[in-house]
Amino acid sequence: EAQVTQNPRYLITVTGKKLTVTCSQNMNHEYMSWYRQDPGLGLRQIYYSMNVEVTDKGDVPEGYKVSRKEKRNFPLILESPSPNQTSLYFCASSSKTGGVEAFFGQGTRLTVV
Amino acid sequence: ELKVEQNPLFLSMQEGKNYTIYCNYSTTSDRLYWYRQDPGKSLESLFVLLSNGAVKQEGRLMASLDTKARLSTLHITAAVHDLSATYFCAVGRDDKIIFGKGTRLHILP
Repeated sequence: EAQVTQNPRYLITVTGKKLTVTCSQNMNHEYMSWYRQDPGLGLRQIYYSMNVEVTDKGDVPEGYKVSRKEKRNFPLILESPSPNQTSLYFCASSSKTGGVEAFFGQGTRLTVV
Repeated sequence: ELKVEQNPLFLSMQEGKNYTIYCNYSTTSDRLYWYRQDPGKSLESLFVLLSNGAVKQEGRLMASLDTKARLSTLHITAAVHDLSATYFCAVGRDDKIIFGKGTRLHILP
């Protein structure tokens, strides 16, 4: 079954404690991206990756890092989380940026206290 | 800067009625997407529109694209309660995808 898997689904952490949200897809997609969803703001792109070792900033990259060492994985790293990073995060993948639907993970609800 | 505006942001409508959600974007784009999100769930792809005049239909939903007007519409025909959800349009340009804020649709029985 084609899917994008995020872990964890829920996470409560404290300010400043480094964390990683994992994302894995089994469709051999080149393009992967991370979004955050906040009430009234819709989804905003954090980072995206066109392929292995190719990443670029989206609209709201501050406070986040990513890596793409393997095609299937695209982890999101928060080196020093702050309360304003409390949000719902989605990972998505697609075979190319144009013309093909994106598959979304189930989401990770992060709370930073 | 690419901006995407949806309207309305909230819509409450009766079953059996027709309505249209509008998605305007500010600069030229390669492609336009429509997604559905149920409460507490992830996003589900509905349509991808790639060219001017493109029209796609699935059940009671029909999406169209006018690239000259930089406008896409999502038309709902004879709404049913199961269509209650939040609908997002998203516009792609180069390698980025920008989402609208979403339209929360509530269909009353």
